[in-house]
Amino acid sequence: DAGVTQSPTHLIKTRGQQVTLRCSPKSGHDTVSWYQQALGQGPQFIFQYYEEEERQRGNFPDRFSGHQFPNYSSELNVNALLLGDSALYLCASSPRLAGGNYNEQFFGPGTRLTVL
Amino acid sequence: LAKTTQPISMDSYEGQEVNITCSHNNIATNDYITWYQQFPSQGPRFIIQGYKTKVTNEVASLFIPADRKSSTLSLPRVSLSDTAVYYCLVGDKGGNTPLVFGKGTRLSVIA
Repeated sequence: DAGVTQSPTHLIKTRGQQVTLRCSPKSGHDTVSWYQQALGQGPQFIFQYYEEEERQRGNFPDRFSGHQFPNYSSELNVNALLLGDSALYLCASSPRLAGGNYNEQFFGPGTRLTVL
Repeated sequence: LAKTTQPISMDSYEGQEVNITCSHNNIATNDYITWYQQFPSQGPRFIIQGYKTKVTNEVASLFIPADRKSSTLSLPRVSLSDTAVYYCLVGDKGGNTPLVFGKGTRLSVIA
């Protein structure tokens, strides 16, 4: 089992550009959540996808959008990048089906985004 | 806004037991208490979860008093590899609310 995988591992963009980050959940998991983690801070919840729809959203602007595919993989898109978007972006998966424990999320290694 | 409060940092020597206490005064009836561990440049890793009393696994123990307004993560005989940030979270298992991470407790284990 490969666990949660994310790509790319590192990314450098300039202000105003757009970026797409990708995530493949752990086998058997159908729910994907995205988090932003700034240096020295805890992960901040961006949104959660289940059954290809955004189910919950944190306090992030509309520049942050996502998508979930039928195979449960997911993308995070950020438009009009700002310097403050520089962070580690984490994807986490969990089983949503009956009996699943949402609190036990499996995190990927993250994508380090640097905006210059 | 984090639902939990925990110390910013702690230091310990190798081989000692470390106890990290977390306050969650407004915990809801359906909420469980969950702890994660995070090493630098890695995603958080689930350690342990409990609802009340005591839970123990191969990594740690979790002590929860009857009022559930606090909890204590206990790491037995820590080693240098336990140096990490530890997060305490509360939430229901069904995922009706997202996980809210605070700043966590930075544990430094010294040889």
